[in-house]
Amino acid sequence: EPEVTQTPSHQVTQMGQEVILRCVPISNHLYFYWYRQILGQKVEFLVSFYNNEISEKSEIFDDQFSVERPDGSNFTLKIRSTKLEDSAMYFCASRINPTNTGELFFGEGSRLTVL
Amino acid sequence: EDKVVQSPLSLVVHEGDTVTLNCSYEVTNFRSLLWYKQEKKAPTFLFMLTSSGIEKKSGRLSSILDKKELFSILNITATQTGDSAIYLCAVVGGTYKYIFGTGTRLKVLA
Repeated sequence: EPEVTQTPSHQVTQMGQEVILRCVPISNHLYFYWYRQILGQKVEFLVSFYNNEISEKSEIFDDQFSVERPDGSNFTLKIRSTKLEDSAMYFCASRINPTNTGELFFGEGSRLTVL
Repeated sequence: EDKVVQSPLSLVVHEGDTVTLNCSYEVTNFRSLLWYKQEKKAPTFLFMLTSSGIEKKSGRLSSILDKKELFSILNITATQTGDSAIYLCAVVGGTYKYIFGTGTRLKVLA
């Protein structure tokens, strides 16, 4: 069964360092998302991406964050200068059809720990 | 501002009990409501609802949507310990952003 894959599964970094979280969405999906979940809290929307550009971003997604689809398969989230409060589980998700809603398929997540 | 509110926040029941989880929402240009189950890591899909009054059912789980009163319920009958998880409700509005509630943490005791 096709699945969304994310790497790394866990990353530990020092405050101020850059991190890149990688995702490979399901191959025929066209709409991509990043969500984060701070331990014990809700799943929060960060950004949606369609047709090689950001469709929408939340207030959390400030200038420290960026997304890219560099090669037609990977979808990356970059955090330029990490802060302690960026520690969270980051989920990549994708769905097939940009003009209808449907199941959002989630990856297993990348746990980021900022020290 | 779009929002999704789930209740109760947590629930402890015994095997065999029936539970009802609630999700109410306010969203601009409602498109659909989805239920997910989150055990250890990634949320896994349960149901998607778009029309009022039509029950979706899968085994012991069922769900229904009321678009007039802006809520949905998820029922689990004859609960088992394997049903222990966080149940998430997400609502999709006009911009195709999936907005999640805080979830209901269900614990089923043997």
